[in-house]
Formats: sequence, structure tokens, C-alpha cells
Amino acid sequence: GQNIDQPTEMTATEGAIVQINCTYQTSGFNGLFWYQQHAGEAPTFLSYNVLDGLEEKGRFSSFLSRSKGYSYLLLKELQMKDSASYLCAVSSNRDDKIIFGKGTRLHILP
Amino acid sequence: GAVVSQHPSWVICKSGTSVKIECRSLDFQATTMFWYRQFPKQSLMLMATSNEGSKATYEQGVEKDKFLINHASLTLSTLTVTSAHPEDSSFYICSAREAGGADTQYFGPGTRLTVL
Repeated sequence: GQNIDQPTEMTATEGAIVQINCTYQTSGFNGLFWYQQHAGEAPTFLSYNVLDGLEEKGRFSSFLSRSKGYSYLLLKELQMKDSASYLCAVSSNRDDKIIFGKGTRLHILP
Repeated sequence: GAVVSQHPSWVICKSGTSVKIECRSLDFQATTMFWYRQFPKQSLMLMATSNEGSKATYEQGVEKDKFLINHASLTLSTLTVTSAHPEDSSFYICSAREAGGADTQYFGPGTRLTVL
């Protein structure tokens, strides 16, 4: 089966940097996604990693280590609008599905 | 690009009635669409995978006769909640994956269902 772990909540300060970790166990790993979800809204796509290494996209970066079953999402220059849940999700080549973690609620303090 | 719409965005209905939710990919063709349900402060729970022109694949514990899914075209999938009950009140979200594209799923804005 698949298992995804990420912290339930984190708090950071506006302007700072925060790293949200995700560990996973799956067979037939076929990619890892990060989504952002504001309260009451649907998730929006942030990043996709299928190879080891760091993918940078503006203030957000995502890292993957397949051998360790580990990923992190790095958010720089935090803004108040970054307060949201961040969902780690894993795709397996055994089926069509993406399985989501429970999400990390990030609180940004002024 | 990769825009997915849902209609309605919210609906309130009486217990025992049926509600249909539409999911459309606006600027791409989606051979596969997914339906999720999310309760407050919980993660997305996959209900079913909808493939164009074939029967949907339901996750364990999801009643296929209660949650009817139709994927009649490459841009439209519908979820019908039949004989709705208050415990069906939830946030229903669809996602679509582009035909021949990467595995990335793009989500619709969601439909908030309240059953009285």
C-alpha cells in the first residue's frame, strides 16, 4: 500500500523561510506532487518531481530523494497569503491514482 | 491553460433528493477525471476514477449506486449523489488529467453540498 506522512501544522513568520517535509512509502513510484489549498477552496498545483533533486519555481522549491522516500517543499520570503494547507501527493505506476497526504496547515505570523 | 470548472459551486438540498455535479475541462481533453470528497480539516479522499467511455472505478467503501458517475465526453464528467442524506454533506472536488499529458491533475473549484 501507500503511506504519506507530513506534519499536521507549522507556524512561520512573514518574510522568513519554511520547509515542509513529506515522507512516503509506495510501490512503483511515479512522481510526487505538492499542492496548495486555501480554506474552502480546491487545491492548486505547485510542483511535480519525478527525478531526484531540487526544482525551483519562484519563491517555491521542491526537493525529492527517491532512495529515501523523502521530499520537501521550501517556501521563501513568506507572505501572509501563503497561509494555507500544503498537500504532498504521490503517484504510482500501478494505477491511475494520486494519493494525498493529510496536508500541513501553515500559519504565517506578521 | 489546464482549467477545470465545476457546477454548481454550492448546493443545498432536502434529504432524499438527488444532486448532479458537473466537472468540465475547459481547454484540454481529459481521458481521466477523478472525484474526491473532503470533510472539514481533513484531506482529500478519492471516491472514484472516471474514464471516458467506460465505467468508473470506485474506491473501497464508496457505494457506486449512490454516487453515479458518467464520463460521456473528453471534457465532461458528472457525479450524481442519489437519495442524499445529511451525512453526504461535504466538499466535492473533481480533477482532470490531460490526455497524453503528464500525471498532473488539475482541480476544479469544488462544490459544497449541504443536505438538510
